Amino acid sequence: DTAVSQTPKYLVTQMGNDKSIKCEQNLGHDTMYWYKQDSKKFLKIMFSYNNKELIINETVPNRFSPKSPDKAHLNLHINSLELGDSAVYFCASSREGWDYGYTFGSGTRLTVV
Amino acid sequence: GENVEQHPSTLSVQEGDSAVIKCTYSDSASNYFPWYKQELGKRPQLIIDIRSNVGEKKDQRIAVTLNKTAKHFSLHITETQPEDSAVYFCAATYYGNNRLAFGKGNQVVVIP
Repeated sequence: DTAVSQTPKYLVTQMGNDKSIKCEQNLGHDTMYWYKQDSKKFLKIMFSYNNKELIINETVPNRFSPKSPDKAHLNLHINSLELGDSAVYFCASSREGWDYGYTFGSGTRLTVV
Repeated sequence: GENVEQHPSTLSVQEGDSAVIKCTYSDSASNYFPWYKQELGKRPQLIIDIRSNVGEKKDQRIAVTLNKTAKHFSLHITETQPEDSAVYFCAATYYGNNRLAFGKGNQVVVIP
């Protein structure tokens, strides 16, 4: 029973393509996030949704579009992929509130060639 | 916004010795401080957290201490084992905020 699951685990694609990453959590959490982890391991928040509503939208190119069909799912669609988009993308979820830890998904390693 | 810094960036310790990682934060309003461990190729996992109403918290071989006056908090790992080798991230947030501010991570290497 994976608490936060992401698919796919690996994604290799050519520049200019459009791709999607899916995330689902079965923890009953209200808030979900997308983080990007670059080669230096820095975790940078991209988006956050609370009960399907966007609450954080960091300075991310508008080629990245999140979508939350319900509070258990948060997907990430990326248009016109660029070499610099290569990274590991983590989905995470947490209970609503400020002092609850995050549960991360297993990550999606995106490689743009 | 909150800014969290971690020191040192890489720490090597002999198996059995202790490891200490220190983080400083900038926003005095921050009052929740979790630590995450990320093994190679794995997801970050919450290992311990502390709220600002306490100064120290322990869980077996790991402990976190908080100094609110100096705005720093530290992770202490005692009797280190090879499986403690990982990247450790500290983070901070405060009531009403919707995000954790993560530090850049510390690579801990335990030498057998």
